[in-house]
Amino acid sequence: GAVVSQHPSWVICKSGTSVKIECRSLDFQATTMFWYRQFPKQSLMLMATSNEGSKATYEQGVEKDKFLINHASLTLSTLTVTSAHPEDSSFYICSARDGLATDTQYFGPGTRLTVL
Amino acid sequence: GESVGLHLPTLSVQEGDNSIINCAYSNSASDYFIWYKQESGKGPQFIIDIRSNMDKRQGQRVTVLLNKTVKHLSLQIAATQPGDSAVYFCAENTNAGKSTFGDGTTLTVKP
Repeated sequence: GAVVSQHPSWVICKSGTSVKIECRSLDFQATTMFWYRQFPKQSLMLMATSNEGSKATYEQGVEKDKFLINHASLTLSTLTVTSAHPEDSSFYICSARDGLATDTQYFGPGTRLTVL
Repeated sequence: GESVGLHLPTLSVQEGDNSIINCAYSNSASDYFIWYKQESGKGPQFIIDIRSNMDKRQGQRVTVLLNKTVKHLSLQIAATQPGDSAVYFCAENTNAGKSTFGDGTTLTVKP
């Protein structure tokens, strides 16, 4: 089956630093990837849609200059949290859509970000 | 705005019993719905999906029912097992394949 990986699985950083999270589709090409954020005991909230070779589309209320998304290849999208602050601490999850099956999304295992 | 919500935040069942998890959605234009299972510290795991031209779909031990008249979705798990304990989310696919997630129901299976 389709597998999506994320790296790192967890990261702790100091306030003010930047953190990059990678999302990879391992056995399929993902023309579209999605980035979600999930706070404890809450649902997943879509942050942005990442399309290969073009700019990401951000949801309302998500700062594009703070959450930089790059989808440089059909198997890799990255999310960079710039100048991280404690309130950015969250569980970040990506999903990838198989270009051949437009509705099916495959989710990564998530990245736990803790900003001190 | 449009949202997908769940009726009950928690559900506790005895091992071997059947579980029913409910979901209400508000976007009548949605045509694709998915149920996910999320275990603690992990990403969502696909369980079953259904399109709006259907009202029932069955998988292994799971059944999804869709009632478009009242915009209601349910997930039935037969013979619930301890390994089924998790948070269950329904999601509604909007345009461009974006998924809007409901609030989640925590299922606890008692041995």
